[in-house]
Amino acid sequence: AQKITQTQPGMFVQEKEAVTLDCTYDTSDPSYGLFWYKQPSSGEMIFLIYQGSYDQQNATEGRYSLNFQKARKSANLVISASQLGDSAMYFCAMRGFAWAAGNKLTFGGGTRVLVKP
Amino acid sequence: DTAVSQTPKYLVTQMGNDKSIKCEQNLGHDTMYWYKQDSKKFLKIMFSYNNKELIINETVPNRFSPKSPDKAHLNLHINSLELGDSAVYFCASSQGGGLNEKLFFGSGTQLSVL
Repeated sequence: AQKITQTQPGMFVQEKEAVTLDCTYDTSDPSYGLFWYKQPSSGEMIFLIYQGSYDQQNATEGRYSLNFQKARKSANLVISASQLGDSAMYFCAMRGFAWAAGNKLTFGGGTRVLVKP
Repeated sequence: DTAVSQTPKYLVTQMGNDKSIKCEQNLGHDTMYWYKQDSKKFLKIMFSYNNKELIINETVPNRFSPKSPDKAHLNLHINSLELGDSAVYFCASSQGGGLNEKLFFGSGTQLSVL
């Protein structure tokens, strides 16, 4: 079974500063993919970044980067130069290579980020 | 054009009623999903269809019945609604179930059972 844990229920960050959102996972799958999604107050789910378990380099997408530490089973999201529009819920998710499970995307409990001006 | 659209956006109903939520995607994806987000924002998969075939059926009460008339549509019918069914229901789609296949979500349906 797959499990995603986000230990920070909520956090404040000052505008223009960087923030790191923690995500740890547990899986017995040999290959897996890790995702981060953003959910603003309007409710839609927005894909941010993806990291494959065998990718050699950490993923980056604009101001988002993923600090992937495979041995520690962690996939932390770093948002650089925070903006007011970054205020939202952030979800870490994982998809494992287990056809019996239907390759579903399993989500963590989320972290609420509030950017202060 | 909206990639994944679901209707209605809001659904307020009485206990015991039957209701449906419709979902359509125009991305050409062959896999569609229903997720439930509870009041604590926890997202849990309910069902997944691949080319109209049910491939994921999590532990969901029988009152919930998905239907996929074609690979672009996945509807959710709920019988005998209960207070605990109040949640936001998200439809999503992806191009297959590969490890790197991200999900595209609809805007959600806020269901309130009174």
